[in-house]
Amino acid sequence: TQLLEQSPQFLSIQEGENLTVYCNSSSVFSSLQWYRQEPGEGPVLLVTVVTGGEVKKLKRLTFQFGDARKDSSLHITAAQPGDTGLYLCAALQGAQKLVFGQGTRLTINP
Amino acid sequence: DTAVSQTPKYLVTQMGNDKSIKCEQNLGHDTMYWYKQDSKKFLKIMFSYNNKELIINETVPNRFSPKSPDKAHLNLHINSLELGDSAVYFCASSQGGRSSKETQYFGPGTRLLVL
Repeated sequence: TQLLEQSPQFLSIQEGENLTVYCNSSSVFSSLQWYRQEPGEGPVLLVTVVTGGEVKKLKRLTFQFGDARKDSSLHITAAQPGDTGLYLCAALQGAQKLVFGQGTRLTINP
Repeated sequence: DTAVSQTPKYLVTQMGNDKSIKCEQNLGHDTMYWYKQDSKKFLKIMFSYNNKELIINETVPNRFSPKSPDKAHLNLHINSLELGDSAVYFCASSQGGRSSKETQYFGPGTRLLVL
């Protein structure tokens, strides 16, 4: 069983559409992170959310941490081909052990 | 300037061979990590070192041995390679504090294929 469950695992949409991906758990976390990984590269941190109910925006990307700090969502407005990639949520288990979800593979078609 | 670098980027080898992957970070971080990403893109931590001291050692076969000659380097040696070792191996580093906001910086990965 995964500590962090991401959904959907695969998503392919047209340029200009909106989308939301989810990261869920039955555990409570002190923080949750979202990474994007492009083909042939390592993951790159997009955002860290810390407070329950927190909303952070990064241009067209909106990240929300659930009130109970067990889940998070990533919403992309007007998706563009450059948003294509693998989106990973991650949480700290202990001091420095980062546990990842299985990822959402997002494809934005022109 | 590359923050976290790994060599080689690609590694193709025969079953039973021994191989090493090298990692270096120039960020002045105290903590370094090795992760394995399987064919389904699942990323899982293997090891973590803080100031050359082993901190995290997940359930990894003892054919895998990390070595940290100094806090800027963390190498991974793999003995008697098996088909199931084929994966992408990522090195990462972080400042090493206990903050829940700490950022890990990943290298570009080493694609290992065992034939």
